[in-house]
Amino acid sequence: AQKITQTQPGMFVQEKEAVTLDCTYDTSDQSYGLFWYKQPSSGEMIFLIYQGSYDEQNATEGRYSLNFQKARKSANLVISASQLGDSAMYFCAMREGSSNTGKLIFGQGTTLQVKP
Amino acid sequence: DTAVSQTPKYLVTQMGNDKSIKCEQNLGHDTMYWYKQDSKKFLKIMFSYNNKELIINETVPNRFSPKSPDKAHLNLHINSLELGDSAVYFCASSRDRGLLSPKETQYFGPGTRLLVL
Repeated sequence: AQKITQTQPGMFVQEKEAVTLDCTYDTSDQSYGLFWYKQPSSGEMIFLIYQGSYDEQNATEGRYSLNFQKARKSANLVISASQLGDSAMYFCAMREGSSNTGKLIFGQGTTLQVKP
Repeated sequence: DTAVSQTPKYLVTQMGNDKSIKCEQNLGHDTMYWYKQDSKKFLKIMFSYNNKELIINETVPNRFSPKSPDKAHLNLHINSLELGDSAVYFCASSRDRGLLSPKETQYFGPGTRLLVL
């Protein structure tokens, strides 16, 4: 069963607008971590933001915030004031607390294009 | 001052050859990983080492053999390359494997683009 699902293969957003990238997850663990990574066309994987399952507040990092809805098992990434440089592929990933290996399980990714 | 580096960045080779990819991290991390990103951009864990000890081997063909000479280095050797091995291979590292907290962020290298002809 897919543990991390990103249902939007591609998204467009106008420059300076906000955009939400969806991520739903499936785990029976009580303790887990959710991560978002950005992969620009140059190919590197850039860590953006982290949300822990026990964190009471939604995570924020600059223009990135995470809309964490635990009961719905969703961890959507919100990018405010989009910039052209935000055009990239975005991956949601999860580490399960029961895992003693530290591995990340990735979603399929969402390609975001920011239009000028 | 690159945190996680990989060499080479590009690798083009013939089917049947043997090749190696090297990874080094200068973050002082204990845990290192190899991920494979296929042509559809899907990322999947292959191996993980913690303090030079193998802790994950995710049903990867035994043509792939990781080696960790010390905790700052994790190399990947691939024997008898096949067309299906064409992919981007990412090395990553984290402070530890997250036994105490799932928060341990993994930092990725730039990737090695392998093309098997």
